[in-house]
Amino acid sequence: AQSVTQLGSHVSVSEGALVLLRCNYSSSVPPYLFWYVQYPNQGLQLLLKYTTGATLVKGINGFEAEFKKSETSFHLTKPSAHMSDAAEYFCAVSEVAGGFKTIFGAGTRLFVKA
Amino acid sequence: DAGVIQSPRHEVTEMGQEVTLRCKPISGHNSLFWYRQTMMRGLELLIYFNNNVPIDDSGMPEDRFSAKMPNASFSTLKIQPSEPRDSAVYFCASTLKRPGTGGAGSNQPQHFGDGTRLSIL
Repeated sequence: AQSVTQLGSHVSVSEGALVLLRCNYSSSVPPYLFWYVQYPNQGLQLLLKYTTGATLVKGINGFEAEFKKSETSFHLTKPSAHMSDAAEYFCAVSEVAGGFKTIFGAGTRLFVKA
Repeated sequence: DAGVIQSPRHEVTEMGQEVTLRCKPISGHNSLFWYRQTMMRGLELLIYFNNNVPIDDSGMPEDRFSAKMPNASFSTLKIQPSEPRDSAVYFCASTLKRPGTGGAGSNQPQHFGDGTRLSIL
């Protein structure tokens, strides 16, 4: 069965510092992987996704993530944090043979300090 | 383009009352999901539909919860009778599942509405 673990419910960085949000997944078959962002009082929005092909995926707002099969990870990074990046981030996995469900992680709240 | 539209944005009602949440998916999308988000339990999938047919309602917490999708452009989530522990933000999401991909998981992202914040007093 598929599952998603996000390490750290809260991450705090200074403006201009590297952002690293960790995500590990469990899947018996090659997964589809997603990162979503949620701003206050809004729904989730897609940041980026990995389906097949290049393992380094670039998304919106300068974020990128790398699919590492050997580590079953899909960590989200951004070289330089901006105040507007403060939000909650969700990693999600959808399995090719997993019915139709997308499983979401518990979320990581990112704080950006001035 | 219009996104997923949910109504109402906020609902406050007394326990025991019937609550109906509404969702209009993105035009052309053929799959629709209802989620519940709370601080304690995070984001929970309640039910999803494919081509207006409920595929999996195993996440629906109790018989008090029901969902319908009478056509491709409208869905409702109903709670009757409502209880204080139902207080949460309810999200609707839609996506396009391409024909021929069988019952498999989707590589298409889900598009979320802005949610309905439900408070049961």
